[in-house]
Amino acid sequence: EIVLTQSPATLSLSPGERATLSCWASQSVKNYLAWYQQKPGQAPRLFIYDASNRATGIPARFSGSGSGTDFTLTISSLEPEDFAIYYCQQRYSWPITFGQGTRLEIK
Amino acid sequence: EVQLVESGGGLVQPGGSLRLSCAASGFTFRDYAMSWVRQAPGKGLEWVSSIVGSGDSTYYADSVKGRFTVSRDNSKNTLYLQLNSLRAEDTAIYYCAKAIRETTYWFDPWGQGTLVTVSS
Repeated sequence: EIVLTQSPATLSLSPGERATLSCWASQSVKNYLAWYQQKPGQAPRLFIYDASNRATGIPARFSGSGSGTDFTLTISSLEPEDFAIYYCQQRYSWPITFGQGTRLEIK
Repeated sequence: EVQLVESGGGLVQPGGSLRLSCAASGFTFRDYAMSWVRQAPGKGLEWVSSIVGSGDSTYYADSVKGRFTVSRDNSKNTLYLQLNSLRAEDTAIYYCAKAIRETTYWFDPWGQGTLVTVSS
């Protein structure tokens, strides 16, 4: 099973700042990595897939990068609605696995 | 608009059974793999099971293999998850989710979820 480790567990930033979230895979997943956003009481929403492709309707301030084992989700300038939990997910091999999540909170 | 609506959750005793349903609309259901993902209270996401569009192939997390069964009825545009031999650790919100392409297991969108509580 591929283990995904996200860092940091919690990130405290202010609106307008740049956010960098990391996801490491225990073995290469090539570019088969996605990022989801989840807000309290809501289902997760796909934001980035294939490591760097934005899903439909996702603002350009969100970008994904990386391949192999190291991946990054960057939010260039935080908006109030961006504060949430972000999960990475791999589909390179079964079982599909998720990272434990990074909570992005308002400082 | 794609819509996924789960139902069937509830309170069940340890060792009991439950069947979850996910009614799909707004897309050609048979053309897409579907999946179940769960989230225990206050915890992260855990993939549970997936099934291809035809229903011919299924996949399970080790934690549920032999206890849960995924199926689909393409004539009714409905996905199912049969939960047997339930344990306390199966308590979670169960989400159904659509693959973004036939067997491309990025999940979009997700349903609103249905809560399963296993307790005596």
